[in-house]
Amino acid sequence: DGGITQSPKYLFRKEGQNVTLSCEQNLNHDAMYWYRQDPGQGLRLIYYSQIVNDFQKGDIAEGYSVSREKKESFPLTVTSAQKNPTAFYLCASTPLSGPGDYGYTFGSGTRLTVV
Amino acid sequence: AQSVAQPEDQVNVAEGNPLTVKCTYSVSGNPYLFWYVQYPNRGLQFLLKYITGDNLVKGSYGFEAEFNKSQTSFHLKKPSALVSDSALYFCAVRALNSGNTPLVFGKGTRLSVIA
Repeated sequence: DGGITQSPKYLFRKEGQNVTLSCEQNLNHDAMYWYRQDPGQGLRLIYYSQIVNDFQKGDIAEGYSVSREKKESFPLTVTSAQKNPTAFYLCASTPLSGPGDYGYTFGSGTRLTVV
Repeated sequence: AQSVAQPEDQVNVAEGNPLTVKCTYSVSGNPYLFWYVQYPNRGLQFLLKYITGDNLVKGSYGFEAEFNKSQTSFHLKKPSALVSDSALYFCAVRALNSGNTPLVFGKGTRLSVIA
């Protein structure tokens, strides 16, 4: 089955550590997105990429980094510069060809906790 | 700029009663509008979308939404609520002529259906 896979499901980070969240899709979608979800704040866009080797900052990119070396993969690194990283992280993808009325397919999320 | 407002953090409804979850939007030009549902510790699942055409859109699990251009609203409705409908609901928007800009999500409305 085609889909979008996020791993790990749960991740614990010590103070000062960088951690990387994985997002892989086999839908042949062009664009991929990272959102952060906090209670009562909805989904906030961190980074997105519409083509390999190119990506754009979203609304809350500080303290995060991404890469898009392959169409299928869009890993997110939470760096030590992110002061409040505890949150639920969601990856999404969508095709870009066609009329543009496609919604997003979401992964199941990664819950990151600072310990 | 695009924006979405979900004015209610929480909606409570008795099982069997009709439900409405409200959404208003702001975009330049015509909108693409979406509703998603999220169950605990899961990603978002697509419910329905409005692109053009009939103002009443039917989606998954018996949900429908009514597009009202003059009121810039896209309220989610269901004639008879089920306990299993209890979840977090997100409205999202993107302008029709905005190229491939990311969807903007509301903060979410928690629906609680009481038996």
